Amino acid sequence: DQQVKQNSPSLSVQEGRISILNCDYTNSMFDYFLWYKKYPAEGPTFLISISSIKDKNEDGRFTVFLNKSAKHLSLHIVPSQPGDSAVYFCAASLQTGANNLFFGTGTRLTVIP
Amino acid sequence: DSGVTQTPKHLITATGQRVTLRCSPRSGDLSVYWYQQSLDQGLQFLIQYYNGEERAKGNILERFSAQQFPDLHSELNLSSLELGDSALYFCASSVAPGPNRYTQYFGPGTRLTVL
Repeated sequence: DQQVKQNSPSLSVQEGRISILNCDYTNSMFDYFLWYKKYPAEGPTFLISISSIKDKNEDGRFTVFLNKSAKHLSLHIVPSQPGDSAVYFCAASLQTGANNLFFGTGTRLTVIP
Repeated sequence: DSGVTQTPKHLITATGQRVTLRCSPRSGDLSVYWYQQSLDQGLQFLIQYYNGEERAKGNILERFSAQQFPDLHSELNLSSLELGDSALYFCASSVAPGPNRYTQYFGPGTRLTVL
């Protein structure tokens, strides 16, 4: 049962333009959301997170938007750079319990110079 | 560099064998999580330890077990290996309860190949 879904396996964007990566979840109890970036042969690297009490969090070129009513979040990267090319994973967590992360299957972003 | 270390980086073994994967968390982190990533899949949670105690289990097979030692490093033991156990195994750690307790930092992973 995939509780976190990333329906776009891949995305290509021109350098300097905006990249928008999407994520949907089914469990309304999730209250903390994270985005990770993963390069080949490396572990996931934490990018940005958002608590369910917020609808936006910004960190430099990265902004995460949360729409709780739609159970949807998105990651915006502006401007996109070739070094952003990687697989991006969306993850969700519950405040209670183990706090383990539920991951989506990832979106491969390619930024074209 | 996340500060989480994992050894070995690669492991090739045969079906029926047993292997041990090792993880050292970031300095000060009390929680260790193990995840499995099979080909083209997202990461699946296996098990969590907090300060030496098992905290939660996910989709971990009975053939798999883990422990966390007093120095907080953790080991994941995989036995009676099958071809389908071939995967990337990641360890992550997080801080003690506090405002950043949900952010997990991942090691580079161990790639296990069962032949």
